[in-house]
Amino acid sequence: DAGVTQSPTHLIKTRGQQVTLRCSPKSGHDTVSWYQQALGQGPQFIFQYYEEEERQRGNFPDRFSGHQFPNYSSELNVNALLLGDSALYLCASSRGWDRVYGYTFGSGTRLTVV
Amino acid sequence: GDSVTQMEGPVTLSEEAFLTINCTYTATGYPSLFWYVQYPGEGLQLLLKATKADDKGSNKGFEATYRKETTSFHLEKGSVQVSDSAVYFCALSEGDSNYQLIWGAGTKLIIKP
Repeated sequence: DAGVTQSPTHLIKTRGQQVTLRCSPKSGHDTVSWYQQALGQGPQFIFQYYEEEERQRGNFPDRFSGHQFPNYSSELNVNALLLGDSALYLCASSRGWDRVYGYTFGSGTRLTVV
Repeated sequence: GDSVTQMEGPVTLSEEAFLTINCTYTATGYPSLFWYVQYPGEGLQLLLKATKADDKGSNKGFEATYRKETTSFHLEKGSVQVSDSAVYFCALSEGDSNYQLIWGAGTKLIIKP
């Protein structure tokens, strides 16, 4: 049973560029949450998608946007990249009624902005 | 706002030593509390959780008790192994309509043979 798959695993972007990160949830899961983990810190909640809509959003600017597809996979888009966006981006999937109790995390995408 | 504070690492212990990683929280209501573990190159894994005061979560020899009076959720293990080396995160979630986890900064644990 495949877990959460994130792609790519690593990427390097230049300031001002745009990036798209992808997440395929665990089989049977319909909800995807995105977190940003800066080096040496705990994850910070970006947003959660359920039934193809953003259900809740953390304290992140509008440069961060997302999408969920009918197959429950999700994308995280970041526009106008800043050096401070360099971080590990984590995707967690769950079943809608489990809220945070049934999270399964992917291994993350390491984004470096230069 | 809600927050989680963990003891700073790294924590370095010898194999078979007793482990305590402190975690305290600030919350306006009655949060659920979690410990996650992150092994190198792997995703975060739920280690244990507690959803109400005085609950004890346990898994793989690790335990933590939800102490509302001291707003704490300290992680303990009686005898650590080299394979327990990882980063440990304490987290909370509050409210039936809250879908996010609020995390501590993590504590790196190093176990020496």
